[in-house]
Amino acid sequence: DAGVTQSPTHLIKTRGQQVTLRCSPKSGHDTVSWYQQALGQGPQFIFQYYEEEERQRGNFPDRFSGHQFPNYSSELNVNALLLGDSALYLCASSLASTGELFFGEGSRLTVL
Amino acid sequence: AQSVTQPDIHITVSEGASLELRCNYSYGATPYLFWYVQSPGQGLQLLLKYFSGDTLVQGIKGFEAEFKRSQSSFNLRKPSVHWSDAAEYFCAVRGAAGNKLTFGGGTRVLVKP
Repeated sequence: DAGVTQSPTHLIKTRGQQVTLRCSPKSGHDTVSWYQQALGQGPQFIFQYYEEEERQRGNFPDRFSGHQFPNYSSELNVNALLLGDSALYLCASSLASTGELFFGEGSRLTVL
Repeated sequence: AQSVTQPDIHITVSEGASLELRCNYSYGATPYLFWYVQSPGQGLQLLLKYFSGDTLVQGIKGFEAEFKRSQSSFNLRKPSVHWSDAAEYFCAVRGAAGNKLTFGGGTRVLVKP
């Protein structure tokens, strides 16, 4: 049983570019959440998707957007990248009924 | 608004010694509390969780945590640390509704041989 898988694992972009990160949830899970973890800090909640809709959103600008597909996989898009967007982006999946989160290993984004 | 404070940024402990990591939370209602561990370059692994009931909860890898409502604390303990316990530990809180977790800043544990 595969856990949460994320791609790519590492990527480098320059300021102003756009990036798309992908997440496949754990088998049977219907909810996907995204977190940003800057170096030396705890993860911060970006948003959560359930039934292909954004259900909750943290304190992140509109440059951060997402999508959930019918197979429950998800994408995180960040436009107009800033140096401060450099971070580990973590995807977590869960069942809406239980709420227990399972995390992927993350996508490390470096913005130059 | 909910928040989590982990007062210790770094802790160094000798292998075989006991370990206690502090966590204080702020939440207006009954919290759901979690401890996660993160090894370098890895995602987060759930060690244990508290939803209700017995305030002393057992987790994986020999860890336990105690919920103290009067002190708004959820400290993590391990009686005897192994070198493989060197990692970063995060305490997190969420409410009964919704899955949004609020994390503390983490405590990095170094294990001396």
